[in-house]
Amino acid sequence: DAGITQSPRYKITETGRQVTLMCHQTWSHSYMFWYRQDLGHGLRLIYYSAAADITDKGEVPDGYVVSRSKTENFPLTLESATRSQTSVYFCASTAFDSGANVLTFGAGSRLTVL
Amino acid sequence: KNQVEQSPQSLIILEGKNCTLQCNYTVSPFSNLRWYKQDTGRGPVSLTIMTFSENTKSNGRYTATLDADTKQSSLHITASQLSDSASYICVVKGQAGTALIFGKGTTLSVSS
Repeated sequence: DAGITQSPRYKITETGRQVTLMCHQTWSHSYMFWYRQDLGHGLRLIYYSAAADITDKGEVPDGYVVSRSKTENFPLTLESATRSQTSVYFCASTAFDSGANVLTFGAGSRLTVL
Repeated sequence: KNQVEQSPQSLIILEGKNCTLQCNYTVSPFSNLRWYKQDTGRGPVSLTIMTFSENTKSNGRYTATLDADTKQSSLHITASQLSDSASYICVVKGQAGTALIFGKGTTLSVSS
């Protein structure tokens, strides 16, 4: 199916565990992004990638790791989850720099860290 | 500091009524402004994008306005429907190479 898909949609984990959120897009968009959304905050950028093997930090990168070995995949890893990382995570993509195009978002991954 | 402020934080209206959501920004220099609609449990979806030279743009029952001089935008919803219940997010793009600045959103509830 065409589009941008995130998995899992829901995840409950414990403090200290490693968690990986997956993001897959079928358009071959160059740019991919990870955001987190929390009550009282707007969407905040965690990491982004301009192309395969090119990633860069966003506003709130601490505690997260990303990789982009293939254009279509952009996984987000929490190496040692903390309660403060309980959030809804959104992956997004766009063909060019976000200033020129509209972001297309996935449906989100709701993560709860106990 | 580049900021995007939206008001009101939440709004409840009756089906069929009109409403206007506000977005004020301090981002400078300004490139464009987008309004997104986010249904509960879904990712945001773009409604409209406005550049510096555009004052008004419509997308069905949604009309966005932009005053680049006062750094204000509004989203007007006409003849609201239950399906308009969602969060509406204002996003501003500054100069090339800078990240998008997201507002916290306005939660709209349309009741019958």
